[in-house]
Amino acid sequence: ILNVEQSPQSLHVQEGDSTNFTCSFPSSNFYALHWYRWETAKSPEALFVMTLNGDEKKKGRISATLNTKEGYSYLYIKGSQPEDSATYLCAFIVGANNLFFGTGTRLTVIP
Amino acid sequence: KAGVTQTPRYLIKTRGQQVTLSCSPISGHRSVSWYQQTPGQGLQFLFEYFSETQRNKGNFPGRFSGRQFSNSRSEMNVSTLELGDSALYLCASSLASPKQLEGGGYTFGSGTRLTVV
Repeated sequence: ILNVEQSPQSLHVQEGDSTNFTCSFPSSNFYALHWYRWETAKSPEALFVMTLNGDEKKKGRISATLNTKEGYSYLYIKGSQPEDSATYLCAFIVGANNLFFGTGTRLTVIP
Repeated sequence: KAGVTQTPRYLIKTRGQQVTLSCSPISGHRSVSWYQQTPGQGLQFLFEYFSETQRNKGNFPGRFSGRQFSNSRSEMNVSTLELGDSALYLCASSLASPKQLEGGGYTFGSGTRLTVV
């Protein structure tokens, strides 16, 4: 079982603040890294699929970077809005299809 | 376009019973994977099927099994249920391997919440 760690576990920010969180994973046997957003009472929703060291992905106010050599990925949210409140999960993929999820970062954006 | 459909949404079973959960992937998706989430735990990978073949299996006891049909629908079976099997079970489907899902990632169903009493 591979250890994928996410920090912090939870985060409260004010509306308009920018924030970021971390996903740490083993640096060997890297295949891909996924980021998902999981809102309460909904299904996890894919945000990014990252495959190359140095990858940077952006979707609106959310962006992510990837460092496979040191085994971490950052997710950034610029100008947080209440609708960004969710749990953000990263999943480390080793081999072809084995996904190992972190326990997530629960973000609460306070209006 | 219909999403990933999981049935039933909720289920209550007693210890020792068995249960079968169903997952219908997005049309055209051939990979279906299953995950378990228990309180305080992240999503734990159970297994993944592609074209009716189990390609990968997580670290779960043999009581957990699955299969995939020719139409890509998948079922997961848990035999001799234990209290600790109470969890949210999610399935996810995709076209291809996790590396080839640029901009996509897996599409998850809403889950089946299993309670074992």
